Amino acid sequence: AQKVTQAQTEISVVEKEDVTLDCVYETRDTTYYLFWYKQPPSGELVFLIRRNSFDEQNEISGRYSWNFQKSTSSFNFTITASQVVDSAVYFCALSEVGGSQGNLIFGKGTKLSVKP
Amino acid sequence: GAGVSQSPSNKVTEKGKDVELRCDPISGHTALYWYRQSLGQGLEFLIYFQGNSAPDKSGLPSDRFSAERTGGSVSTLTIQRTQQEDSAVYLCASSLIPMPNNSPLHFGNGTRLTVT
Repeated sequence: AQKVTQAQTEISVVEKEDVTLDCVYETRDTTYYLFWYKQPPSGELVFLIRRNSFDEQNEISGRYSWNFQKSTSSFNFTITASQVVDSAVYFCALSEVGGSQGNLIFGKGTKLSVKP
Repeated sequence: GAGVSQSPSNKVTEKGKDVELRCDPISGHTALYWYRQSLGQGLEFLIYFQGNSAPDKSGLPSDRFSAERTGGSVSTLTIQRTQQEDSAVYLCASSLIPMPNNSPLHFGNGTRLTVT
C-alpha cells in the first residue's frame, strides 16, 4: 500500500539557517509522482513541486531544493537561508499512476517555524 | 484567474444537524477532490470526481457523508446528522487533468466546520 511518512512533526530554526524536511514514501508502483505543498498560516495549500519517478535529478528553485533518491525512497526538501515567511506546514505527497484515492496521498506534514 | 472557491469559510452547527459545503473549482479543471484536515493531522482523502466518470468515494468515512458535482463544475459535500468528530477543515481542490500527468492540485482556502 502507498504511504508517505514525514517523521519531523515540528522544526524550529532561526532566520538564515538552512533546514531540511524529510519525506519517505512507500509504493509498489514503478511509475509515480511526488509532490511538496506549503500551507502557510492563512490555510491555503500552495503547490511547490512535482517530480516523477523516472527523474531523479535534483531540483533547485531559488532558496528551495529537492533531493529525490529512489534507493532510499526519499524526497527531501531543503530551504537555504530560511526566512520568517517560510514558516508554514509543509506536506509531502505521493500519487500512483493507476492508484485510487484521488491519486494523492499526503504525509502528516512538518510544521516549520522560522524565528527572526 | 480565479482560484478554487469554497463557501462558507466557517460553519458552526449543532450536533445532529445537516450541513452543506460548496466548492467552485477552477474553470476548465476536470478533476475535483475533497479532503478533510483535522487538527494536527494530515490531509484525509474523502472523494474524487473526474469528468463524467463515477466518483471515487473510497475515502468517505461513513454513509452520513455524500457529495455531488453538478454539470462537471460546482461540487457540494453534504454531512448528515453531524457529529463532533466531524469538526475539521474541509478542503476542496481541482486539477486540470488527474492522469497520467498528475497535474498539480489547486486548493481552496477550506471550510472550517465546528460541530457543537
